[in-house]
Amino acid sequence: SQQGEEDPQALSIQEGENATMNCSYKTSINNLQWYRQNSGRGLVHLILIRSNEREKHSGRLRVTLDTSKKSSSLLITASRAADTASYFCATDMEGGSEKLVFGKGTKLTVNP
Amino acid sequence: ETGVTQTPRHLVMGMTNKKSLKCEQHLGHNAMYWYKQSAKKPLELMFVYSLEERVENNSVPSRFSPECPNSSHLFLHLHTLQPEDSALYLCASSHRTGGENGELFFGEGSRLTVL
Repeated sequence: SQQGEEDPQALSIQEGENATMNCSYKTSINNLQWYRQNSGRGLVHLILIRSNEREKHSGRLRVTLDTSKKSSSLLITASRAADTASYFCATDMEGGSEKLVFGKGTKLTVNP
Repeated sequence: ETGVTQTPRHLVMGMTNKKSLKCEQHLGHNAMYWYKQSAKKPLELMFVYSLEERVENNSVPSRFSPECPNSSHLFLHLHTLQPEDSALYLCASSHRTGGENGELFFGEGSRLTVL
């Protein structure tokens, strides 16, 4: 079964608005990562939050982690048309597994 | 430019062809990965190489054959593929320390179409 699952699957907003995407997972983690993918391109790492951290910021991005609820959220503030992309969460499961497990992603459209 | 280069970017092949995808990283990382991305499916991990040794093989059919000759290069050899193998194949690298996976650096992907 899938480890990370993003919600919503698709999100459409106007430029200047904030966008919030959520990720839920099932097992204990070392860290959780968010990635962005423009259509047909490779994924780009945005931010990594460790299991002992609750919140992290990077520019217009804010990530929260609630390990008791096994969930994370990615907030993009003051969105721009260039933020249009798919956003994925990936979990590094506790136990030293060799892999990150990705969700299906949230497709964000920011309308000018 | 992420420091991970994939070639070719696009590949069209028949079911009886043999071709290879190539990935090169210039980041000094100690782990490399092949992922498959199909429409409406999560990113699927295919293979992981750590210090040039294959440490993960995610039940991938034998028509996909990986090769990691050194820590900077990774290949995916393809033969007798099926149309359902058409997808975007993504290579990534990372630096693993203490059993924790750090951020992945992805290439731009190789778009494969099997006719």
